[in-house]
Amino acid sequence: DQQVKQNSPSLSVQEGRISILNCDYTNSMFDYFLWYKKYPAEGPTFLISISSIKDKNEDGRFTVFLNKSAKHLSLHIVPSQPGDSAVYFCAASGGKLIFGQGTELSVKP
Amino acid sequence: SQTIHQWPATLVQPVGSPLSLECTVEGTSNPNLYWYRQAAGRGLQLLFYSVGIGQISSEVPQNLSASRPQDRQFILSSKKLLLSDSGFYLCAWSPDSVSNQPQHFGDGTRLSIL
Repeated sequence: DQQVKQNSPSLSVQEGRISILNCDYTNSMFDYFLWYKKYPAEGPTFLISISSIKDKNEDGRFTVFLNKSAKHLSLHIVPSQPGDSAVYFCAASGGKLIFGQGTELSVKP
Repeated sequence: SQTIHQWPATLVQPVGSPLSLECTVEGTSNPNLYWYRQAAGRGLQLLFYSVGIGQISSEVPQNLSASRPQDRQFILSSKKLLLSDSGFYLCAWSPDSVSNQPQHFGDGTRLSIL
């Protein structure tokens, strides 16, 4: 039973355009959500987080949106850059972190 | 600043051999420590976590074990490895168990069982 799901295993975007990565969760008790970025053969790097009391958090080119009624969060990257190419994991916390399967983003020049 | 070190980076072991992976954190005290495994094409699965020396919680039944002999040291072990133990093992730390804080990961160990 996957409590956190990333239904798109991959996404390809042109440089300069917006990348939108999506994540769905099932447990309404989750109160903290995070996005991580992972390059091959490296550990995940924390990108941005959002508390369940908010619906948006922005940090530079990265914005996370939370829709609690739909149990859905998304990560927007604007503008996308080739260096953003990586696997992105969403995670949800109700004490422990539960990770999605990841979405591989490819930003083409 | 805080740093986390994990070694070795890669490891090839025969089936039935023992395992010891080590993780240390610098620049903080009394961290929460975690071991995760990432199987190919899948997300990160929490294996163990620790909120203090000698305190280990296991999340999934398996032939792996964890120990925390010192405040900033976390060890993942096995007495006899199985083929299914292959994967990418990640250690992580977070500063607090109460408030919401991100976990910070080491660079991982790629374990291949032959």
